[in-house]
Amino acid sequence: NAGVMQNPRHLVRRRGQEARLRCSPMKGHSHVYWYRQLPEEGLKFMVYLQKENIIDESGMPKERFSAEFPKEGPSILRIQQVVRGDSAAYFCASSPPTSGTPTYEQYFGPGTRLTVT
Amino acid sequence: DQQVKQNSPSLSVQEGRISILNCDYTNSMFDYFLWYKKYPAEGPTFLISISSIKDKNEDGRFTVFLNKSAKHLSLHIVPSQPGDSAVYFCAAAEGGYQKVTFGTGTKLQVIP
Repeated sequence: NAGVMQNPRHLVRRRGQEARLRCSPMKGHSHVYWYRQLPEEGLKFMVYLQKENIIDESGMPKERFSAEFPKEGPSILRIQQVVRGDSAAYFCASSPPTSGTPTYEQYFGPGTRLTVT
Repeated sequence: DQQVKQNSPSLSVQEGRISILNCDYTNSMFDYFLWYKKYPAEGPTFLISISSIKDKNEDGRFTVFLNKSAKHLSLHIVPSQPGDSAVYFCAAAEGGYQKVTFGTGTKLQVIP
């Protein structure tokens, strides 16, 4: 059973370009979460999605950032018109459908390191 | 508003001794707590968790203690091994809601 896949692992973009980060959750997982880790900081929650639905986007910047988790295919985190401050590691995590007592355990991908030049 | 705090950014421990990592939280609605371990250039991996109905959970060399009245939890690693050197994140969740809030992490170095 493959783990959470993220691609690309490294992404370099010039200021003003768009960045697309992809996340394939573990098989059977229907919940996807995106986190951002800035240098020397912890994991900051960005968005929580289920298939075709955004459940919680309270951590997403109001502009330039969007996320989706379509019925088919990976989850996408899209950053438009990137700026230097967007340089960070972006982690995706997934969890299975909740049944009975939730465990809150999330399985993380290896991350995408975005560098904006 | 940092609801989960790890006030020690780093910790050094001699191999074979006990490592104690601390975590404080402010949201009294949190009822489930987790510890994750992260190596450089990798994603975090789940280590151990505890429900608010317990005050201790043990898994091999790892034990998590929860003090609800103090809103404090700690992770004990005994004995510490060089392979335990990593960043440890404390995380918390509230009843039935899948969103998990992470602390800022503590970098543990176990010295051989």
